[in-house]
Amino acid sequence: QVTLRESGPALVKPTQTLTLTCTFSGFSLTTSGMCLSWIRQPPGKALEWLAHILWDYDKYYNTSLRTRLTISKDTSKNQVVLTMTDMDPVDTATYYCARGTDNGGTYYFDSWGQGTLVTVSS
Amino acid sequence: SYVLTQPPSVSVAPGKTARITCGGDNIGGKSVDWYQQKPGQAPVLVIYYDSDRPSGIPERFSGSNSGNTATLTISRVEAGDEADYYCQVWDSHSDHVIFGGGTKLTVL
Repeated sequence: QVTLRESGPALVKPTQTLTLTCTFSGFSLTTSGMCLSWIRQPPGKALEWLAHILWDYDKYYNTSLRTRLTISKDTSKNQVVLTMTDMDPVDTATYYCARGTDNGGTYYFDSWGQGTLVTVSS
Repeated sequence: SYVLTQPPSVSVAPGKTARITCGGDNIGGKSVDWYQQKPGQAPVLVIYYDSDRPSGIPERFSGSNSGNTATLTISRVEAGDEADYYCQVWDSHSDHVIFGGGTKLTVL
């Protein structure tokens, strides 16, 4: 059974750095064809992809947020960490991690965490 | 960057068929996935690779993709199908994930 769980602060101040951790089980991020993505959703708005890290350590970032994001993985702990710098109130959102499964060069997200709401406010 | 366009809302009576579209430039050349999201819950994959269903997803859910439009079809709609639906593609040129703006399905 695949499970994912996001953890991190519920409240951050503007300009601070957000660090989120996704802890997963039921699969290995060293297995060919696996990836793990971070996706966010502001209240009442659509899903927005942020970043993903592949089984082979390749990393990709949303172009509009690239300078603020860093994604990394610790395979020994089955964790993926996302940091986002210079937080702003517009970054208030529910942040999800999701497992991606290779489908001939593309990925679909077949398992999601429950999400963690991050509010940016002074 | 690649853009996916969905209608903001679709309404359908119980027992009828709902069709939710996802438009994109030559989207027929890409693999489209669909997610259902109910209020307060994480998204759930309902269709992948244009028309495949994950285990546990009812056969009432089906997908198609051709030209500039992909379509999620829900047959014999039930009250429990009321949710937001998102299409998604993987842009292989940039290795970016693209989501549509979402469609709210209302069961009348």
